[in-house]
Amino acid sequence: EDQVTQSPEALRLQEGESSSLNCSYTVSGLRGLFWYRQDPGKGPEFLFTLYSAGEEKEKERLKATLTKKESFLHITAPKPEDSATYLCAVSGNTPLVFGKGTRLSVIA
Amino acid sequence: KAGVTQTPRYLIKTRGQQVTLSCSPISGHRSVSWYQQTPGQGLQFLFEYFSETQRNKGNFPGRFSGRQFSNSRSEMNVSTLELGDSALYLCASSLKGGGGSYNEQFFGPGTRLTVL
Repeated sequence: EDQVTQSPEALRLQEGESSSLNCSYTVSGLRGLFWYRQDPGKGPEFLFTLYSAGEEKEKERLKATLTKKESFLHITAPKPEDSATYLCAVSGNTPLVFGKGTRLSVIA
Repeated sequence: KAGVTQTPRYLIKTRGQQVTLSCSPISGHRSVSWYQQTPGQGLQFLFEYFSETQRNKGNFPGRFSGRQFSNSRSEMNVSTLELGDSALYLCASSLKGGGGSYNEQFFGPGTRLTVL
């Protein structure tokens, strides 16, 4: 059974304090790993897709990396507007399986 | 390009009633997936439709059903509502889908269903 575990559950950072979110997964035949951002009361917003170990993608202050067992979402010099829940999902031979997310709070 | 739209945005029902939610995918997208999101369970897959055919189904009772029309618009129906059905119901569309060949899914804003 495909599984995704995200850690930490919640993270509180000062503005400018860089950190990383972790997504550990087990999947039969990874077809893609996806990162989403979700603001309260809204649908998830697509951020990145990673397909193979070693791949990296960047967007503004965010950088996603992938190994054979986990993915990291690195946040460099975060701003208060980066506060949100970040979701990781994997696609194997079954539909997308989501982790429960990391709630990020960035304090000015 | 317009995003995924869902109607209604909010819904209040009582136990035993039924409800129909609607989703219009991004133009050109043929795959529509439905998810239930609750604080305790997170995002859970309900079903996926591709070219009017249900391609995958999650672990939900038969009270949850859906369909897709020829224009790719989709509806999901929940019959005999229970208190535990209170959740945010999200629809996502993608260009392709089915059979495990997934690419990026783009989500709508969701329908917040409250069952009293």
